[in-house]
Amino acid sequence: SAVISQKPSRDICQRGTSLTIQCQVDSQVTMMFWYRQQPGQSLTLIATANQGSEATYESGFVIDKFPISRPNLTFSTLTVSNMSPEDSSIYLCSVAGRSSEAFFGQGTRLTVV
Amino acid sequence: SQELEQSPQSLIVQEGKNLTINCTSSKTLYGLYWYKQKYGEGLIFLMMLQKGGEEKSHEKITAKLDEKKQQSSLHITASQPSHAGIYLCGADRTKTSYDKVIFGPGTSLSVIP
Repeated sequence: SAVISQKPSRDICQRGTSLTIQCQVDSQVTMMFWYRQQPGQSLTLIATANQGSEATYESGFVIDKFPISRPNLTFSTLTVSNMSPEDSSIYLCSVAGRSSEAFFGQGTRLTVV
Repeated sequence: SQELEQSPQSLIVQEGKNLTINCTSSKTLYGLYWYKQKYGEGLIFLMMLQKGGEEKSHEKITAKLDEKKQQSSLHITASQPSHAGIYLCGADRTKTSYDKVIFGPGTSLSVIP
């Protein structure tokens, strides 16, 4: 199994500002994933982050709005840029285990005011 | 379009009662995951099913994947208040291991003491 630490666990931000969420894994993983869960909805994949290459974004998500870094095999960041109240969500990072299980961080609860 | 459907959307049961949550897809599921989410917490991995007809149990929770690998059910026996939360089914989008997971809309379970 993998232990994932996400920071911050929650934040309240002013519209127009940016927030960077960190995801630290206790083991080396090839692929890390970032999800968003808007209020009352299920998880939606934002992008896949591979070490050494640019992140791959899902339809509806763009790099300018959600830049991602993946400097090594245990760490990734997701930035929510130029925030608006519609960005208020829970953001989760996830990694795939060797037995195809998926592990998730505790999530970052973002409120944009 | 929603690739995974879950039913029911929400469920309220009396403590001690049995219940079943269903997850269906129009496409073959290469890996089917069940997660539980409590308010303010990250996802808790419950079980993963990969083979048609597979069934797994953990404590009072049993999950099954049908032979066609297009439908899964999660059954809770003698429910307890601790079972309350949102249950999400997730599935591998492709055959490739370590791939991203897509999710159903979730089923909200409340257990009344």
